[in-house]
Order: sequence, then structure tokens, then C-alpha cells
Amino acid sequence: EVQLVQSGAEVKESGESLKISCKGSGYSFTTHWIAWVRQMPGKGLEWMGIIYPGDSDTRYSPSFHGQVTISADKSISTAYLQWSSLKASDTAMYYCARLPGSSFYYPFDYWGQGTLVTVSS
Amino acid sequence: EIVLTQSPGTLSLSPGERATLSCRASQSLSSTSLAWYQQKPGQAPRLLIYDASRRATGIPDRFSGSGSGTDFTLTISRLEPEDFAVYYCQQYGSSPFTFGPGTKVDIK
Repeated sequence: EVQLVQSGAEVKESGESLKISCKGSGYSFTTHWIAWVRQMPGKGLEWMGIIYPGDSDTRYSPSFHGQVTISADKSISTAYLQWSSLKASDTAMYYCARLPGSSFYYPFDYWGQGTLVTVSS
Repeated sequence: EIVLTQSPGTLSLSPGERATLSCRASQSLSSTSLAWYQQKPGQAPRLLIYDASRRATGIPDRFSGSGSGTDFTLTISRLEPEDFAVYYCQQYGSSPFTFGPGTKVDIK
């Protein structure tokens, strides 16, 4: 069974750093792209970027480029999303999701349960 | 960047009724690289339709998708109580792979 299990909720202060995780299981982690999606409170879905764990090839949405870093450790089947200096506007639910193939021209077929990040100013 | 527009913003219907949701792209999508997702409160989104008209695994056949180019439609033939949710379209033919703002289907 394909599963993406994300790390737990975080409460941080503005200016702090943070790294959240997404662990894949039940499939070949290295041959499927992983995406990160933001959902601000009461708002819609925003595509942040994707990573191919096999070689760490990473693509970012222009809206998020330079604001976050996406990485992966294929040895433990885990993808990461990190911030070096959080802002209150980073408060949101963050989802990881899997693409069903080795190309990134695919929809997201499995999703993690989400990680709620709350940043106080 | 391809911008997706969804209409209506909210659709108020009764169980058993037909729901028709629209998604329009700011430019023509390569192939039919459009997906629909359902999201219920407190849950992650779930893939319903991909390639504009293919149902994802386990999705009931009351959900259907159609369209090409810039205009796409998600149809729910007869609404079940569990179908009241927010629906998002997403294009994955051109990076960044954008989502529409969503259509909320609520109970009339």
C-alpha cells in the first residue's frame, strides 16, 4: 500500500528555521516525483515545487523559489520542505503528494495527511 | 504561468441532483493534462479525474470529466451525501503546475 506520512504539526516564531518531512512507503521512492503543496487557512491549493528523489532534481514554482528549499534523502525514503527564516505568512497546511511516474507531467495520485505549520509574529 | 479559473465559486444543490463544474485555462493545455481533486474539510485532496476524462482508481462512475484546450468540465451525475466538498482542477502540462481556486459544492 502506497503511503506518504508527514511529520507532525509545528508551532514556531517568526524568524525561526523549520524542516518538515514526508516519508514514502509501499512503492519505489526513488522513481517517483514528490510534490509539495501549500494551503493557507481557508484558501485553495498552491503548487510549490517537486523533487525527484532518485537524483534530487528539483523544480520550484516562481512564487516559492528562494522562499523554501525542497530536498530528499533517498536512503530513508523521505522528502523535506524547509525554511531558513519563517514569516507569519508561512502559516498554512503543507501537503506532500506523489506523482505516479518518472516524468513530472502527471497529477498527484497519493497525498500525505498534511503538516500544519503555525508561525507567530 | 497558466491561470485556471473555476466556476461557479459555490454550487448549492440537493442530493440526487446533477452537478456541473467548470474549469477554464488561460491558454490551451498540452494534450489533456488536467486533473480534478476533491477535498473534504480536514482531509487531504483526493484525485478524482486525470487526463481530463480518466477516472482515478476507485472513483465511482457518477464522476466524469470532459473537455480539451481551455475548457474543462467535471460532472457528478447524481450527488451523494459524501460528494459535498470542494473541487479543484489542476493543470500538469506546463510548469508551474497550477491549481484553480476551487468550487464548493454545498447542500441546498
